[in-house]
Amino acid sequence: AQSVSQHNHHVILSEAASLELGCNYSYGGTVNLFWYVQYPGQHLQLLLKYFSGDPLVKGIKGFEAEFIKSKFSFNLRKPSVQWSDTAEYFCAVKAYSGAGSYQLTFGKGTKLSVIP
Amino acid sequence: NAGVTQTPKFRVLKTGQSMTLLCAQDMNHEYMYWYRQDPGMGLRLIHYSVGEGTTAKGEVPDGYNVSRLKKQNFLLGLESAAPSQTSVYFCASSPSRQGAQGANVLTFGAGSRLTVL
Repeated sequence: AQSVSQHNHHVILSEAASLELGCNYSYGGTVNLFWYVQYPGQHLQLLLKYFSGDPLVKGIKGFEAEFIKSKFSFNLRKPSVQWSDTAEYFCAVKAYSGAGSYQLTFGKGTKLSVIP
Repeated sequence: NAGVTQTPKFRVLKTGQSMTLLCAQDMNHEYMYWYRQDPGMGLRLIHYSVGEGTTAKGEVPDGYNVSRLKKQNFLLGLESAAPSQTSVYFCASSPSRQGAQGANVLTFGAGSRLTVL
């Protein structure tokens, strides 16, 4: 079964610091990759996605992620975080799971706290 | 522009009681999903549906039942609630699981917080 690992459970940064959240997955075939964000008290929203093409994907609010196939990684980055980026971030991977079926698997999430 | 609507938003149950969570989407999406979110566990798929009249088990289906009688609605039922089912439940939908790029993107509801005493 495929799995998605997010290395950091909780990250605390000061405003203007750079951010990188790790995401690794365990599937060797073609994948679709996503980052979702959940602001406090809200539902999950799509931050960015990768399907094919340029492995550097730009999303909303200045976030970007790079797909490195050889490392099975899809790390999320932002050069300068703001207090409003405080949220929980979920990596998700969609991959073929056999018999014509696809499976979407979420990581356990990383909480980001940005200190003003 | 409602998107995905979940009702109720909050509910407190006693052990053994039953209840149904309703999810409605107005985007004509084929696929619908029920997830539960627990601290440190991320999102875990309970059940999903690939179309009207169809349902399938996800990662943690025990203790839950679902029905998709209409394309726009996906109901999650707890027949005999247990404290272990205390969680935040999220419904999501997507156009389909294959095809165009947008087909794989999930739209989530606002969540339903359930407490079982």
